[in-house]
Amino acid sequence: SYVLTQTPSVSVAPGKTARITCGGDNIGSKSVHWYQQKPGQAPVLVIYYESDRPSGIPERFSGSKSGNTATLTISRVEAGDEADYYCHVWDRSSEHVFGTGTKVTVV
Amino acid sequence: QVHLVQSGAEVKKPGASVKVSCQASGYTFAGYYIHWVRQAPGQGLEWMGWINPNTGGTNYAQKFQGWVTMTRDTSINTAHVELSRLRFNDTAVYYCARGGRSGTSLAYFDYWGQGTLVTVSS
Repeated sequence: SYVLTQTPSVSVAPGKTARITCGGDNIGSKSVHWYQQKPGQAPVLVIYYESDRPSGIPERFSGSKSGNTATLTISRVEAGDEADYYCHVWDRSSEHVFGTGTKVTVV
Repeated sequence: QVHLVQSGAEVKKPGASVKVSCQASGYTFAGYYIHWVRQAPGQGLEWMGWINPNTGGTNYAQKFQGWVTMTRDTSINTAHVELSRLRFNDTAVYYCARGGRSGTSLAYFDYWGQGTLVTVSS
């Protein structure tokens, strides 16, 4: 089955930039989406198709992909960005797959 | 405004079945796939499968084949997921989520229900 690997945790100071990576075999050929999940809440879509932002998501959230890694970047990090973040792809053999998740802590 | 509202928390004994509902509003229910995703306590997200509300067609992740059933009732814009032969490790929050592009199962999930906690306990 297809596996997406994320760094378990990232710590970042307010106002700085957080980068969350998602690695998977041949991820360059797949569409990557990202979700934010705060404690006790449902996930929220923050980036779809690598770099598109849904309405209402701040421009501070951006996405990119290079080689076998996709990256979610949060610029000018705020305390309210503290959450778990998951990447997501569709794979022909495994269908929908989520990454292992990254906990972002604002210190 | 799109909303997915799920049924309330359930407590079940091992071996029992449970049915979770997801009522959609604010869009054409038949036009967008509904996916089910679960999250065990302290764990990540796990995709379970989808239902096409237009045709009733379903597709389940291999792990859930044979003991999970997804259905829909178009008269009340509601999707259901039923889990049978529950085990302790089926304790999780179950989410419904809408496929983000009309008519395809391949897209991102743009709206999510609030989640339903299913606890399996003796």
